[in-house]
Amino acid sequence: DSGVTQTPKHLITATGQRVTLRCSPRSGDLSVYWYQQSLDQGLQFLIQYYNGEERAKGNILERFSAQQFPDLHSELNLSSLELGDSALYFCASSPPGGGYTGELFFGEGSRLTVL
Amino acid sequence: GQSLEQPSEVTAVEGAIVQINCTYQTSGFYGLSWYQQHDGGAPTFLSYNALDGLEETGRFSSFLSRSDSYGYLLLQELQMKDSASYFCAVRTGGFKTIFGAGTRLFVKA
Repeated sequence: DSGVTQTPKHLITATGQRVTLRCSPRSGDLSVYWYQQSLDQGLQFLIQYYNGEERAKGNILERFSAQQFPDLHSELNLSSLELGDSALYFCASSPPGGGYTGELFFGEGSRLTVL
Repeated sequence: GQSLEQPSEVTAVEGAIVQINCTYQTSGFYGLSWYQQHDGGAPTFLSYNALDGLEETGRFSSFLSRSDSYGYLLLQELQMKDSASYFCAVRTGGFKTIFGAGTRLFVKA
């Protein structure tokens, strides 16, 4: 157990719909990262937040948005869903401060199926 | 653009040694990490190299050459449970951590 919690674990919805994925980082971690993993693919970086502020943006579609709240949990909103959005969405967190160790702690992921 | 290249698939025999290579081309470089992912599971951290050289953690070792933009993960005394996907990842400038497409390792008895 990494200490990162993601909900829901599974989600099935229809094209055109909107969903929200939730992530709680490890206690004490200030950074939250979102990744998308399509079937048998690598992890595509979407976006990173640090202590409530957006820190880095990757290949995140305009239909997707995210935010990190004062209690440090984060939500990823996916709208106007398309079949190609079906994927595993992972959230990860990392410790604050200097001495970066390269370690991201991943949650178990939210599997989204768009029908 | 930014890219990480690693072989898509490697097969080895139980008890053997296998090396998974990773070459990268990124805007800024702070370090190379390796992650293991079993089917349907979460990626788990294996190792990190910020400086040139070899880092050893039990049966796993990782190497980095910054001048060659190259690294590898070495797995020794392979076990069946090592069958998984292995990802290299680079922390780039701008606080991004980007991943390669992954190498699927099959360990045969």
